[in-house]
Amino acid sequence: DIQMTQSPSSLSASVGDRVTITCQANQDINNYLNWYQQKPGKAPKLLIYGASTLETGVPSRFSGSGSGTDFTFTISSLQPEDFATYYCQQYDNLLVTFGGGTKVEI
Amino acid sequence: QVQLQESGPGLVKPSETLSLTCTVSGASITSYYWSWIRQPPGKGLEWIAYIYYSGIINYNPSLKSRVTISVDTSKNQFSLKVTSVTAADTAVYYCSSGGEYFQNWGQGTLVTVSS
Repeated sequence: DIQMTQSPSSLSASVGDRVTITCQANQDINNYLNWYQQKPGKAPKLLIYGASTLETGVPSRFSGSGSGTDFTFTISSLQPEDFATYYCQQYDNLLVTFGGGTKVEI
Repeated sequence: QVQLQESGPGLVKPSETLSLTCTVSGASITSYYWSWIRQPPGKGLEWIAYIYYSGIINYNPSLKSRVTISVDTSKNQFSLKVTSVTAADTAVYYCSSGGEYFQNWGQGTLVTVSS
């Protein structure tokens, strides 16, 4: 099974900060890596798919990069509405796995 | 705009079967893959299964022996059954469109396993 290691599990940041989250797979998943934002009591929201493609309507301050086993998610300038938990998710070999999540706090 | 709505009992007794239905509006059930994902209270996301109307199905290996996913094209719905539930199956259950990535989500429904 493919395991996804997401780090850090939590971070503290301020409005305007650049925030970076990483996700590492234990085997090559090409670019089958997606990123979600989840706010308390709400369903996750797709932000990025295919490692780097921004979902329609998602602000350009969000970006993703990487391929193979190592991936990065970046918020270029953190906004108040960005405080949330972020998850990576891989799809390879017909199965789906989520990372453990990163809680972005003030 | 695709909308999804989960329905089913909020309380299930241990060893019984959990049954949930997702009603899809704004799209045909034949248009996409459809998935179930769950989230135990205070924990992360766990993919359960996906289905395509033609019969393509895949399950999380850790749950495969207890889970069944199905689709009803006449009602534009898909469903989930989890047998022999325990407290570890207590979670918010989400239905979603997609199998590779999950673009549209239901609001989620909390299912508690307790006697």
